[in-house]
Amino acid sequence: SQTIHQWPATLVQPVGSPLSLECTVEGTSNPNLYWYRQAAGRGLQLLFYSVGIGQISSEVPQNLSASRPQDRQFILSSKKLLLSDSGFYLCASRRNSPLHFGNGTRLTVT
Amino acid sequence: SQQGEEDPQALSIQEGENATMNCSYKTSINNLQWYRQNSGRGLVHLILIRSNEREKHSGRLRVTLDTSKKSSSLLITASRAADTASYFCATDPSGSARQLTFGSGTQLTVLP
Repeated sequence: SQTIHQWPATLVQPVGSPLSLECTVEGTSNPNLYWYRQAAGRGLQLLFYSVGIGQISSEVPQNLSASRPQDRQFILSSKKLLLSDSGFYLCASRRNSPLHFGNGTRLTVT
Repeated sequence: SQQGEEDPQALSIQEGENATMNCSYKTSINNLQWYRQNSGRGLVHLILIRSNEREKHSGRLRVTLDTSKKSSSLLITASRAADTASYFCATDPSGSARQLTFGSGTQLTVLP
């Protein structure tokens, strides 16, 4: 079965600083990869998804970007964080199955 | 906008009781999925029910789907303290998961 690794688990960053969150997948190849954001007490908002290396689709316009440099690596980035970027970021993978999620990164922008 | 909306937002029951959570949605679906999230963790897939199915079971879980009413319910029987978590429904209109839309969840607390 698939295992999704996300790091770091928690992150506190000042406004205007850059961001890089990494997600790697084990146990499958050629997965579809997803970045979600979850606000406190809310459901998940899809930010980006990728069907292959270098193929990124953005679902929500914002100051975040995503990249997929390798088949099982998905990176979420920002050049300058905003206070509104605070939240719980989840990476997910899917390969002929329902979604498998990582344990998320709690980002607090101060 | 949220496609699936869970009801109630919070539910507190005693261990051993059954817990029922409902999900309503607005547009046609290929399938509907239920996920569980322990506090501060990722979501774990529980069960998927396709649009041509009306009921599905998995262990202590029972899911029903009524496409005419655009609603689904998740029943957890003989609840345990370890079932305490948030439960989310997610609707998939195409089967591709790209448009998978999550509701805001039901926070279930099972008291020992």
